[in-house]
Amino acid sequence: EVQLFQSGGGLVQPGGSLRLSCVASGFTFSSYGISWVRQAPGKGLEWVSAISGSGENTYYADSVKGRFTISRDNSKSTLYLQMSSLGAEDTAIYYCAKAINSFSIFGPKGYWGQGTLVTVSS
Amino acid sequence: DIVMTQSPDSLAVSLGERATINCRSNQSVLYSSNNKNYLAWYQQKPGQSPKLLIYWASTRESGVPERFSGSGSGTDFTLTISGLQPEDVAVYYCQQYYNTVTFGGGTRVEIK
Repeated sequence: EVQLFQSGGGLVQPGGSLRLSCVASGFTFSSYGISWVRQAPGKGLEWVSAISGSGENTYYADSVKGRFTISRDNSKSTLYLQMSSLGAEDTAIYYCAKAINSFSIFGPKGYWGQGTLVTVSS
Repeated sequence: DIVMTQSPDSLAVSLGERATINCRSNQSVLYSSNNKNYLAWYQQKPGQSPKLLIYWASTRESGVPERFSGSGSGTDFTLTISGLQPEDVAVYYCQQYYNTVTFGGGTRVEIK
């Protein structure tokens, strides 16, 4: 059974940093690209970032480029999102999400983590 | 960037009736080399993670009830719920994966 378990959310001050983690199980982690998707309170879904299975290729939404860094440790089946220079606009539930197939990093996401809330506030 | 626009923002449908949600992209998401539309639909219930319903515009994900169907090609797509059930109350999102990822704004479906 595919599972994605997230951790690392919480309250952070504006300008601060935070790292999210997503531990995967039930599939060959290194074969799949994985994305981060966020949802501001009461709002819709926003794709944030994606990384290829090998970790060589990374992609970012313009809204987070230069501030967020996606990475993965395939030996630990873990995905990370390092967030810095956080602002109120980054307050959201963050989800990690895995595509249903291995050949497309951006493909349809059939598996989602439980989500973790990041609140940026003083 | 590909912009996805959904309509309506919300709709109320009687139990057993049909719900129709539209999604339009500002450029085609049809990949000519394989003739596939890079378009998915998700359902999100309150307090839950999104759930994949449809991909390749019309392929139902395993375990998704047959009352959910997707159609369309190029830039115009539709999600149809044929025979609305109480458990279908949710927000529905379209998503393109032709060029990175973008989501539509969502459509809230309620019982009339």
